[in-house]
Parts: sequence; structure tokens; C-alpha cells
Amino acid sequence: DGGITQSPKYLFRKEGQNVTLSCEQNLNHDAMYWYRQDPGQGLRLIYYSQIVNDFQKGDIAEGYSVSREKKESFPLTVTSAQKNPTAFYLCASGQGGYNEQFFGPGTRLTVL
Amino acid sequence: AQRVTQPEKLLSVFKGAPVELKCNYSYSGSPELFWYVQYSRQRLQLLLRHISRESIKGFTADLNKGETSFHLKKPFAQEEDSAMYYCALGAGRRALTFGSGTRLQVQP
Repeated sequence: DGGITQSPKYLFRKEGQNVTLSCEQNLNHDAMYWYRQDPGQGLRLIYYSQIVNDFQKGDIAEGYSVSREKKESFPLTVTSAQKNPTAFYLCASGQGGYNEQFFGPGTRLTVL
Repeated sequence: AQRVTQPEKLLSVFKGAPVELKCNYSYSGSPELFWYVQYSRQRLQLLLRHISRESIKGFTADLNKGETSFHLKKPFAQEEDSAMYYCALGAGRRALTFGSGTRLQVQP
């Protein structure tokens, strides 16, 4: 393991607060992705970025925001507009397109 | 829109039995299909992709465009195959669409 890291492993926040999840990679990958994993629903794509300073909405982008100012970093902000933020969040990176994606260990966010 | 269906949430087999994890997709063009696997306490990782046409850990998967399926098969299951398996579709955008996953449980 290593190469792509997510922090923290567990995160607790009060309802109504924005929270930012970190994702860093040192694999020199152009593309990075954020997924949400809920029981019985698999992985759902939140946002993805194929190159620095550019990103696209995935299937469930509402209530989330991202930035891609550096190749190595793709932070995800869960805003107060996200109606059901408690979930497991996975970050991935890859060479882009349909090349293999490498996943981080995940962050479990609990909103109290 | 692209969609991936994995109809079984849980598949339980005995060691040595054949395994088939089902995956169906919806896309009218030429897709790329993948299987990703997550073993207990490990990260999600790529198992195989259809364009490689290779067997990984004894698993194979054939893309059937007529039936829009990409079922994962192994003739003799091993206990170490127990894991969560996700089928994924690459089509129409530069990102994958994942299915809901099937948990494979191989009993001794």
C-alpha cells in the first residue's frame, strides 16, 4: 500500500458544518476520483479530474465540491447542502481514461 | 446513461465449487469492462479487464455484447477468493461506473 493516502481515517462533524477530506498521491497520476460507498449501493462517482485545474461532476455531485490545484492533491469538501453525508469516501488515482485506478484506504465520515 | 447491474448481493459457495458472479451493463456503444475486488482489510484493486483477455487468480470474464454481460467465472473456488467483487463499466465519459457489488463467500 502507499502511493495514495487519505486522511483522516475517521471523521466526525456536527450537522451543518462543512468538512474537507484529504486525498494525496505520489504516483504521478494525471487523473483522480472521488467515490462514495454506501452498503448495497456500491461505489458512486462524486467528482473526477483528468488533469490539474480541471474537474467534472460525477453522478452524485450535489452537496460536494472539489479543487485540483496540484497534481498530487484532490481534496473533497462535503458541504452542509449534502443531505445525507454520513458515508465511506474513497479516493482513487490513475493515468486517466479507463486505465487502472488505484484506491486509497478511505475516510469514514459521520455527521452527528 | 450507463448502468451496471450486479443482481446478487451475496453468493455463497463451497470450496472447490464453480463460481459465477453476474454483471450486466447498459450502453449502446463499445464499452470497456472491468472487475475490481476488495479483500478483507485491503484496498479495492483491479482484478481483470476484458481487453486483456487474461486469467487472474484463476478468474476469467468474457464480454458478451449480445447479452450485454461480463460475468466473472472461476471453475474451482478457493477460500482466499472470499471478497467483495465490483463490476465496472467504462463508456461515454472518462470515468468508470461501478455496480453495487457482490460479496463472495467461499465456505470450507
